[in-house]
Amino acid sequence: DAKTTQPPSMDCAEGRAANLPCNHSTISGNEYVYWYRQIHSQGPQYIIHGLKNNETNEMASLIITEDRKSSTLILPHATLRDTAVYYCIVRVGDFGNEKLTFGTGTRLTIIP
Amino acid sequence: DTAVSQTPKYLVTQMGNDKSIKCEQNLGHDTMYWYKQDSKKFLKIMFSYNNKELIINETVPNRFSPKSPDKAHLNLHINSLELGDSAVYFCASSRRTNEQYFGPGTRLTVT
Repeated sequence: DAKTTQPPSMDCAEGRAANLPCNHSTISGNEYVYWYRQIHSQGPQYIIHGLKNNETNEMASLIITEDRKSSTLILPHATLRDTAVYYCIVRVGDFGNEKLTFGTGTRLTIIP
Repeated sequence: DTAVSQTPKYLVTQMGNDKSIKCEQNLGHDTMYWYKQDSKKFLKIMFSYNNKELIINETVPNRFSPKSPDKAHLNLHINSLELGDSAVYFCASSRRTNEQYFGPGTRLTVT
């Protein structure tokens, strides 16, 4: 059972920042927030993860609220190749036993 | 170089048959997984192995039997295939707490 809530779909203009929200109000103190995306029938692709601090890598930024009940994935300059289903996941389990429970995700469409 | 590979990519078979899907990773990861994505696109974990040892078994019918001959391989054998087994099966691997790398998927169609 997914512990996250995401909007089913979003559009974003090419070149603009795409901001994808996620609610995880029941998250526990030691549970990480992960973001993956799945581009049309390919295998899911890891994007970023965080615990309580904001994180940035070459693909995206992750902003986690102070109470950790929600987060936002930011794609700073969206391209057409970013069209995909984006999954926000709360990772549960201990090291080596961690489990990702995928929800329904947000279908992001980048508009030319 | 392919990080996580699966064979075959497509598999069409009849009900009642037994089939296997193979997965190999060349990333040196300790943990490997099998996921199932059904027609409604829900992606669910089936199994995970850490250092060839079964860690997670998510109430999958015992017709499904994973086998890990070594850390780099995790194969999925399915006995007595049923129509409801039609799905895309993804293999993944990870190093302990880090991100999981997924294979390209195997689309299984049972007729």
